[in-house]
Amino acid sequence: NAGVMQNPRHLVRRRGQEARLRCSPMKGHSHVYWYRQLPEEGLKFMVYLQKENIIDESGMPKERFSAEFPKEGPSILRIQQVVRGDSAAYFCASSPNQGATNYGYTFGSGTRLTVV
Amino acid sequence: EDQVTQSPEALRLQEGESSSLNCSYTVSGLRGLFWYRQDPGKGPEFLFTLYSAGEEKEKERLKATLTKKESFLHITAPKPEDSATYLCAVQTGNQFYFGTGTSLTVIP
Repeated sequence: NAGVMQNPRHLVRRRGQEARLRCSPMKGHSHVYWYRQLPEEGLKFMVYLQKENIIDESGMPKERFSAEFPKEGPSILRIQQVVRGDSAAYFCASSPNQGATNYGYTFGSGTRLTVV
Repeated sequence: EDQVTQSPEALRLQEGESSSLNCSYTVSGLRGLFWYRQDPGKGPEFLFTLYSAGEEKEKERLKATLTKKESFLHITAPKPEDSATYLCAVQTGNQFYFGTGTSLTVIP
């Protein structure tokens, strides 16, 4: 079991470009969560998805950010027209069901986005 | 407003020197309190879940405890490989609220 796979590990984008971050959950997990970690700050919740559904996007910025988790393929976090403030580590986590409190969530190694 | 505060921000210990990390929280509808370990350049790694005041969990040199307002992560006789950032998170609804972590360095 390869765990939660995120790619790319590092991504550099110029201001105004688009960034696409991918997350493949653990085998058997159908719930995906995206978190953002800014330097010197804690992980901040962004969005919670199940296959083909956005369950909770209360942590997503209202503009330029979107997320999907299609029936086939990885979950995608998309950032349009990136700005320097988007530079951060973006982590994906997965769980087999909602809550999964007994074992926490399994996190990927993250994508480090740098906007230049 | 839901909040999670961890202290100290950083901690340096000699190998074998026991200590405790603190996580205080103010949330409504707590579903669980979680401890994670995060190594540089990696994602958080799950350690413990605690659900109710008085609960304790142990794993090797680590023991986590929970009261109504805070949790402690006790580390007994730490080794250099215990050096990492330890994150506390509380779950309410679908979300985890994370603290900013305690960066632990254990010196041989």
